Amino acid sequence: DVKVTQSSRYLVKRTGEKVFLECVQDMDHENMFWYRQDPGLGLRLIYFSYDVKMKEKGDIPEGYSVSREKKERFSLILESASTNQTSMYLCASSWVTGPQSNYGYTFGSGTRLTVV
Amino acid sequence: AQKITQTQPGMFVQEKEAVTLDCTYDTSDQSYGLFWYKQPSSGEMIFLIYQGSYDEQNATEGRYSLNFQKARKSANLVISASQLGDSAMYFCAMREGLLGGSARQLTFGSGTQLTVLP
Repeated sequence: DVKVTQSSRYLVKRTGEKVFLECVQDMDHENMFWYRQDPGLGLRLIYFSYDVKMKEKGDIPEGYSVSREKKERFSLILESASTNQTSMYLCASSWVTGPQSNYGYTFGSGTRLTVV
Repeated sequence: AQKITQTQPGMFVQEKEAVTLDCTYDTSDQSYGLFWYKQPSSGEMIFLIYQGSYDEQNATEGRYSLNFQKARKSANLVISASQLGDSAMYFCAMREGLLGGSARQLTFGSGTQLTVLP
């Protein structure tokens, strides 16, 4: 069964800490994405990557960075966590080419981060 | 401007009845895709149905169908014969520039919380 795995389901961190959220996919997908989900706002794109070591900013990149050293792994980094980064974080991956229906995503199960 | 608009924050439906969840979109691309995802309380995002902008037929997947009205830029999800397990958050999403071949992100609406009543 194909999977996108996020390393933590729940995390509690202190303000100012450096936080790493890890995501691994086993489908050989080129694209990987990080979203945050907040009530009433839906999913908002933070960063995405279309190849190893490549990254592009999404709609809300401030306060975040990413790393993609291997094709299967995409990490989201909160350089100095703040309380307004308390949220659900969802990782996803997808193909670049292929039948159009494959242009959707496979999602991880999410990491609920609380910054106190 | 919002690219994906879901105007119903919450909906209720009686078990075994049909329900329509609204979605309108905004794009200037000719080639795009529309998706619906379901998110139960457990948090995972489940792909339900896809409609391509050039598809002439409305997409159907079991009890799910997508009412695609291109001129109105709407892509409503219809769930027939609702079940208690359909209670979840539903997201409409769009991917633009499908012919470009490069990474194109999905843009999501704010979601509709559906509750199925016994």
